[in-house]
Amino acid sequence: AQSVTQPDIHITVSEGASLELRCNYSYGATPYLFWYVQSPGQGLQLLLKYFSGDTLVQGIKGFEAEFKRSQSSFNLRKPSVHWSDAAEYFCAVGLQGAQKLVFGQGTRLTINP
Amino acid sequence: DAGVIQSPRHEVTEMGQEVTLRCKPISGHNSLFWYRQTMMRGLELLIYFNNNVPIDDSGMPEDRFSAKMPNASFSTLKIQPSEPRDSAVYFCASSLGDRNYNEQFFGPGTRLTVL
Repeated sequence: AQSVTQPDIHITVSEGASLELRCNYSYGATPYLFWYVQSPGQGLQLLLKYFSGDTLVQGIKGFEAEFKRSQSSFNLRKPSVHWSDAAEYFCAVGLQGAQKLVFGQGTRLTINP
Repeated sequence: DAGVIQSPRHEVTEMGQEVTLRCKPISGHNSLFWYRQTMMRGLELLIYFNNNVPIDDSGMPEDRFSAKMPNASFSTLKIQPSEPRDSAVYFCASSLGDRNYNEQFFGPGTRLTVL
């Protein structure tokens, strides 16, 4: 069965530091990959997506992610975090020919001043 | 576009009462999804519709839960009777429904508390 694993439940980084959030997926074919962000009390907002082509994708708010087929990974990165980046981040995989997404358990990001 | 609209934003009810959550998807979107989010279980897909037809309801917890989509612009999720363990945030999301395009747009959610 398809699955998404976010190994880190909670990450704390200092403001201005770099960030990498990990995501691994299990799926037989090339998936569609997404990162969503959820601020406290809010719904999920799409940060970026990968369908095909260039494996390094740029998103909103200065985020980027790299698809690595050999590692079944789609890690999210940001070179310098801001206090406003504190939120929960969800990785998701979309299955070809199906409408639904499979979400990871989420990673909660805390920013130290 | 106003995005996905959900109502109410907050609902507090007593055990045994009927609860109805409402969702208006983005105009032109053909697929609609209901999710439940809790600390213990994370984000769970309950059911999704394509062109107003339920496609996958395998995530619906039990018979107390039902969902309808009478037309392309409105869906409801009903819990009858409600129980304290139903307390959660319920999200509605919609997407274009193209088989090669899975991007979902989420509403702000309804926070349900069952006392």
